[in-house]
Amino acid sequence: ETGVTQSPTHLIKTRGQQVTLRCSSQSGHNTVSWYQQALGQGPQFIFQYYREEENGRGNFPPRFSGLQFPNYSSELNVNALELDDSALYLCASSLGRVSEQYFGPGTRLTVT
Amino acid sequence: AQTVTQSQPEMSVQEAETVTLSCTYDTSENNYYLFWYKQPPSRQMILVIRQEAYKQQNATENRFSVNFQKAAKSFSLKISDSQLGDTAMYFCAFMKSPRETSGSRLTFGEGTQLTVNP
Repeated sequence: ETGVTQSPTHLIKTRGQQVTLRCSSQSGHNTVSWYQQALGQGPQFIFQYYREEENGRGNFPPRFSGLQFPNYSSELNVNALELDDSALYLCASSLGRVSEQYFGPGTRLTVT
Repeated sequence: AQTVTQSQPEMSVQEAETVTLSCTYDTSENNYYLFWYKQPPSRQMILVIRQEAYKQQNATENRFSVNFQKAAKSFSLKISDSQLGDTAMYFCAFMKSPRETSGSRLTFGEGTQLTVNP
């Protein structure tokens, strides 16, 4: 059984650029959630995808958007990057919306 | 909105001893789930234990157990026979029963950094 994977591991971008982060869910999982974890803080919910549709969104602006594909992998896109977007981005997958969420290793994004 | 509070930013314990991490939460929901996650320096968030609010029995997973007090909205984690590999940031998390429009988001506390000393 393959766990949750994320790519890339690290990324450095310039303010104003756009970035795409990728997540492959654990085998058999149909739900993907994205979280932003600033340094020294707990993760904050960005949004969740369930069967390819957005199913809940946290307090993040529209420049944070996402997709889920038929194989349940997912992308997180961030436009017009700001310095405060620098964080660890975590993806979590689950089987359905009630079961435990299993996390990937994260993508460390640095915006300069 | 739900909030989760972890009042101990840092804790330390000697190897083989027992330590308890505290967590309180605030919610008006009756059906929900509580979790403890561990995040070692590798950054991978690892599920430690899960508790359903409708279950009165406290969850246990090997050396890890919880003390769930629903009326007090308290959810502490006890680690017995602490091991060096338990050194990590521990997050308490809350999830209410999913809705069609709100999904099943986790709300995390700020974390407790646990150090196990040899």
